[in-house]
Amino acid sequence: GAVVSQHPSRVICKSGTSVKIECRSLDFQATTMFWYRQFPKQSLMLMATSNEGSKATYEQGVEKDKFLINHASLTLSTLTVTSAHPEDSSFYICSAGYRGRYGYTFGSGTRLTVV
Amino acid sequence: QQPVQSPQAVILREGEDAVINCSSSKALYSVHWYRQKHGEAPVFLMILLKGGEQKGHEKISASFNEKKQQSSLYLTASQLSYSGTYFCGTESNNDMRFGAGTRLTVKP
Repeated sequence: GAVVSQHPSRVICKSGTSVKIECRSLDFQATTMFWYRQFPKQSLMLMATSNEGSKATYEQGVEKDKFLINHASLTLSTLTVTSAHPEDSSFYICSAGYRGRYGYTFGSGTRLTVV
Repeated sequence: QQPVQSPQAVILREGEDAVINCSSSKALYSVHWYRQKHGEAPVFLMILLKGGEQKGHEKISASFNEKKQQSSLYLTASQLSYSGTYFCGTESNNDMRFGAGTRLTVKP
C-alpha cells in the first residue's frame, strides 16, 4: 500500500527559530500533497494544498510567509515554520495522493512544541 | 466549507451497529473516510467517487449520494477495535477538507 513518511515525529524548538517538516511518498508519485494542522480533540484544518511544480495554495488566514511550503518533486513536500512562536505549537500532518483517485495517505504527523 | 458530520459522538456495545453521516454544500468529486486513534495519524478506510458509489470494507461500508452531496458510513457488528474518531473528507476543486469528526466508543 501507499506509504507516506513524515519527519520529524516530534520537535521542540525555541521561540524565534525555524523548523522544517518533511513529507515523502515512498512508493508512489504524489501529484498533490495537503498540509493540515490539528489541535487536541479537534478536526484536521487544511493549511495549504501543494501540487508538484506549482506554488502552494494557502487557506484563508494561513500566513504564507510564516508557513513555507515547497513541493519540489513528486515524492517530497516540505513545510517550514518560520520564526516559530508558542501559539504555533500543534500537530502538523501531511497527506499525499495521486490525483485523489485512490485516497490520500497521511504521514505519521509532527508534534511541534515551541518553548 | 467544511463538511458537516453527525453525530458528534456515539457509544456502542460490541456487536451493535452505527451510522455516521457527512454532508457538504459544495459539489463533490469524492468522499473519503478515515479513522483516527488517539495520538496517531488518520488511517484511510475508503473513497467514494462521484457517481453514487457504495463500497464495503469488511464490516464497514459507505454510500455516497451525489445529488444530495451526502455520504454515510455504516459500521455493523462493531468490534472494540472500531473505537476512534471517524472523519469524512470531501474533495472538490483540488482541496480536501474534513468534517469535525465523530468520536466512536465501542464498549465490551
